[in-house]
Amino acid sequence: DAGVTQSPTHLIKTRGQHVTLRCSPISGHKSVSWYQQVLGQGPQFIFQYYEKEERGRGNFPDRFSARQFPNYSSELNVNALLLGDSALYLCASREDRGTDTQYFGPGTRLTVL
Amino acid sequence: AQSVAQPEDQVNVAEGNPLTVKCTYSVSGNPYLFWYVQYPNRGLQFLLKYITGDNLVKGSYGFEAEFNKSQTSFHLKKPSALVSDSALYFCAVRDSLSGGGADGLTFGKGTHLIIQP
Repeated sequence: DAGVTQSPTHLIKTRGQHVTLRCSPISGHKSVSWYQQVLGQGPQFIFQYYEKEERGRGNFPDRFSARQFPNYSSELNVNALLLGDSALYLCASREDRGTDTQYFGPGTRLTVL
Repeated sequence: AQSVAQPEDQVNVAEGNPLTVKCTYSVSGNPYLFWYVQYPNRGLQFLLKYITGDNLVKGSYGFEAEFNKSQTSFHLKKPSALVSDSALYFCAVRDSLSGGGADGLTFGKGTHLIIQP
């Protein structure tokens, strides 16, 4: 079975631009979470979506938004990019909320110049 | 609030020796604890988890972890290290009381494990 997939793999943007990152969960998984991993640090929680509704949000500004589609895939959008947004963005899926294991995709490396 | 501490930035072990990567946590309720491994330029790969039950949890690739409630620790262990175990290891926690949809994991800053031949 395919794991979590993310696109694109790498992305280079300039300050002030907008970016959209995409994630497809493992088949049968209804929950998708997004994390930001800055170089040298552990991942930080951005959003969790379950059944197409936002269920949790980390300490990120309103420039960050996301949505989940009927097929459970998800998009993460970041507006007005800052240099500090440069990071590896990870998507994770799990079957249901709660204690189920989160399985991570390979990530999208975003570089903001 | 939930938090995780990995006190060692780097752990060096000779191949064939036992290894331990340390993790301590803080939660208000009961902890759900996870270990993940990350290879260069890759996402996180799940190793094992503790939710409830036996304090010794066995996971992938011969790794295990021991949950110690009194010491609020969840150290990762392996009896005999392999060079291929060299990677970045993350401990993560979720508080059982983080309801209302706040189901994000809180990660430690990671520990570089280096296995020397």
